[in-house]
Amino acid sequence: QKEVEQDPGPLSVPEGAIVSLNCTYSNSAFQYFMWYRQYSRKGPELLMYTYSSGNKEDGRFTAQVDKSSKYISLFIRDSQPSDSATYLCAMNYGGATNKLIFGTGTLLAVQP
Amino acid sequence: SQTIHQWPATLVQPVGSPLSLECTVEGTSNPNLYWYRQAAGRGLQLLFYSVGIGQISSEVPQNLSASRPQDRQFILSSKKLLLSDSGFYLCAWRLAGALGETQYFGPGTRLLVL
Repeated sequence: QKEVEQDPGPLSVPEGAIVSLNCTYSNSAFQYFMWYRQYSRKGPELLMYTYSSGNKEDGRFTAQVDKSSKYISLFIRDSQPSDSATYLCAMNYGGATNKLIFGTGTLLAVQP
Repeated sequence: SQTIHQWPATLVQPVGSPLSLECTVEGTSNPNLYWYRQAAGRGLQLLFYSVGIGQISSEVPQNLSASRPQDRQFILSSKKLLLSDSGFYLCAWRLAGALGETQYFGPGTRLLVL
């Protein structure tokens, strides 16, 4: 069983839709959770960073962590064509070396 | 502000040839540095990480090696490339000692081994 599972998609939505992206994980020791956005042929860029269960909002983006269910989500409101990218979840235990465990990424296409 | 550079951006190499990819970070001192490989349709695989000059930890046995000759320089090398070494190579950094602090990625090098 992979430590982090993520639906690869592709996910296609019309412009303005609410998008829900999800990851599940198996190790309850994970404490820090991140979402990265990766455009084609570019390096991943940090989108959201959360610690512990709960919600965190930044503009059109909301990250949600449910540690009891080992489930994290990223919601995108009023999706735009510029949101079309691969979204990677990542998590780690913390500690000196801070090794991240990544999901395989979900490819999102927002149609104008 | 901090900036991370990688070069070259794209590389096409024959099987059996050597490899050297370079990563440098500006605007910070003593960062933790990481090399990842991303194969098509797969997640990021951590290859090496370094917490200081000359300190390299390998995550996966393979045909590659890494070195950190200077505080903000991280090099990925191979003596003889294999077809399976093709992929998108990403360098990342984080602030050392900041628990849970996230990693920031460079623009990547796309390597095609023929």
